[in-house]
Amino acid sequence: DAGITQSPRHKVTETGTPVTLRCHQTENHRYMYWYRQDPGHGLRLIHYSYGVKDTDKGEVSDGYSVSRSKTEDFLLTLESATSSQTSVYFCAIGHSSGNTIYFGEGSWLTVV
Amino acid sequence: GDSVTQMEGPVTLSEEAFLTINCTYTATGYPSLFWYVQYPGEGLQLLLKATKADDKGSNKGFEATYRKETTSFHLEKGSVQVSDSAVYFCALLPLSSGSARQLTFGSGTQLTVLP
Repeated sequence: DAGITQSPRHKVTETGTPVTLRCHQTENHRYMYWYRQDPGHGLRLIHYSYGVKDTDKGEVSDGYSVSRSKTEDFLLTLESATSSQTSVYFCAIGHSSGNTIYFGEGSWLTVV
Repeated sequence: GDSVTQMEGPVTLSEEAFLTINCTYTATGYPSLFWYVQYPGEGLQLLLKATKADDKGSNKGFEATYRKETTSFHLEKGSVQVSDSAVYFCALLPLSSGSARQLTFGSGTQLTVLP
């Protein structure tokens, strides 16, 4: 157990509504990541953070924003959800001096 | 840029068969290499890792050796079980420090083991 909690685990929302997914860690790791997983596309990086208030875009960042106001929390926001954002979202964490990245259990998001 | 090429699936084996899932990579320097496993409806679990050339990672009967000369990290298990049915992902993490520590994943290989 890598000390990562994602919430909510399952959510159904309507097109055009804002959605925020939360990733909480108890490991005090420097790096945090948000990925999405879709059939035929594998895992794709959305955004990542390398410290409090330090974030950067990943491969598929359009339509998403993130915030990290404290070490333990990394929030992913869909400002106006679209059906193409129906996916499974995974948070991951990594220590600055380590060589391992651990994943959370995922958040299943359906946009109808 | 960095890339990981993984054996296409799906792979179907009978219980107690030998498993190999091929993984090759392209990266500068000496990245760390990983195998993650994903069981249905769950997140990715770290299966094993290797951080330098000729290292062998092992866990739960699975093994993989970091081969710098062939830029490979093939996953093997001598005798698979039905419970090994899952999707397996090969991944690399570059050596660089600072902000650029991002995993690059292969496309995943679905393994089904039949009793």
